[in-house]
Amino acid sequence: QVQLQESGPGLVKPSETLSLSCGVSGYSISSGYYWVWIRQPPGKGLDWIGTIFRSGTTYYNSSLKSRVRMSVDTSRNTFSLSLESVTAADTAVYFCARAQVGGIHYWGPGIRVTVSS
Amino acid sequence: EIVLTQSPGTLSLSPGERATLLCRASETVSVSNLIWYQQKPGQAPRLLINGASTRATGIPDRFGVSGSGTDFTLIISRLEPEDSAVYYCQQYDSSTYTFGQGTKLEIK
Repeated sequence: QVQLQESGPGLVKPSETLSLSCGVSGYSISSGYYWVWIRQPPGKGLDWIGTIFRSGTTYYNSSLKSRVRMSVDTSRNTFSLSLESVTAADTAVYFCARAQVGGIHYWGPGIRVTVSS
Repeated sequence: EIVLTQSPGTLSLSPGERATLLCRASETVSVSNLIWYQQKPGQAPRLLINGASTRATGIPDRFGVSGSGTDFTLIISRLEPEDSAVYYCQQYDSSTYTFGQGTKLEIK
């Protein structure tokens, strides 16, 4: 059974860097598929942040591209998200997920991150 | 960037009725790249079905789709109370994803 779990601080100060990690169990990241981060501001819809492949190739949402970086650690079977210079607009539930042709089948439960001083 | 617009914003129906949820794309989307998700409060989204009618594991055949090109429809027949949720369409193209803003389905 594939499972994903987000981890990281729930509170980040404005202008600082938000750093989250996603631990994957039941499947080896190095075996394939695509690994994505998606966020959902309070009371709003879903926003794709970016996708990373096992090779480290990344694709980012153009609206966040200048501030976001994703990485993968196949030895720890995790992938990570870094978002710089955060503001209150970055307050959201952040989901990590596994994507493939045909959709996003596996999601983490989400982690709530608040940007506030 | 392909923009997805969903309508209506909210839909209120009774058990046993049929729901029709629309998703319009700003550009042509391949049917297999148009995906529908269901999200209940406090939960992660759940994949339902793609535009080619391939349902995810465990999704009943009450959930169906139609459409192609830029106009897609999610049809939920014989509504049940547990269908109450927000439904999102999503497309992927050239390794980028976009979501519609969602349709909230309320079961009276």
